[in-house]
Amino acid sequence: EAGVTQSPTHLIKTRGQQATLRCSPISGHTSVYWYQQALGLGLQFLLWYDEGEERNRGNFPPRFSGRQFPNYSSELNVNALELEDSALYLCASTKGWQANTGELFFGEGSRLTVL
Amino acid sequence: ELKVEQNPLFLSMQEGKNYTIYCNYSTTSDRLYWYRQDPGKSLESLFVLLSNGAVKQEGRLMASLDTKARLSTLHITAAVHDLSATYFCAAISGVWTSGSRLTFGEGTQLTVNP
Repeated sequence: EAGVTQSPTHLIKTRGQQATLRCSPISGHTSVYWYQQALGLGLQFLLWYDEGEERNRGNFPPRFSGRQFPNYSSELNVNALELEDSALYLCASTKGWQANTGELFFGEGSRLTVL
Repeated sequence: ELKVEQNPLFLSMQEGKNYTIYCNYSTTSDRLYWYRQDPGKSLESLFVLLSNGAVKQEGRLMASLDTKARLSTLHITAAVHDLSATYFCAAISGVWTSGSRLTFGEGTQLTVNP
């Protein structure tokens, strides 16, 4: 069974540009979470989508946005990139909240570098 | 706001020794998670602890949860080099609901030396 897949693996952008990161959850999982792992800052919660709806949002500015598609895959968009957006962006999936323990299954991440 | 703190943040130990990583959380949480991250890699789920007093073991790692003390421990027995990694604990705020999300600790970077 395929795990959580993310693309691209690496992405280099310049300040002010936009970045789009993609995530495909494990088959049968309907929830997708996005976390930012910046150097020295641990994992910071960004967004949570379940059944196509945004369920929860972390303390990030509105230029961080995303969506979940009918096939449960998800996109994270970061507009007006700033240098401090450079980080590893991790996507995780799980079954819908009612049917699971909350255990997250993570993808390999997308490393975004902003120059 | 839930805060999760791990202690120590850096741990260097010799092969064959035992040690414990501590995870404290600031508000009630009805469950606790442990993850492992190898350098440049993603997070791998190790344990899910769902009740007070829960204990789980896998190989040389054993995790426990005391919800009253808001404390989880990850005990390493007879460490080997392959256990070198960063270990994260994560908790939720309160009980599991449709709005729950995992809050992670800062991670404990473990290095096991021969």
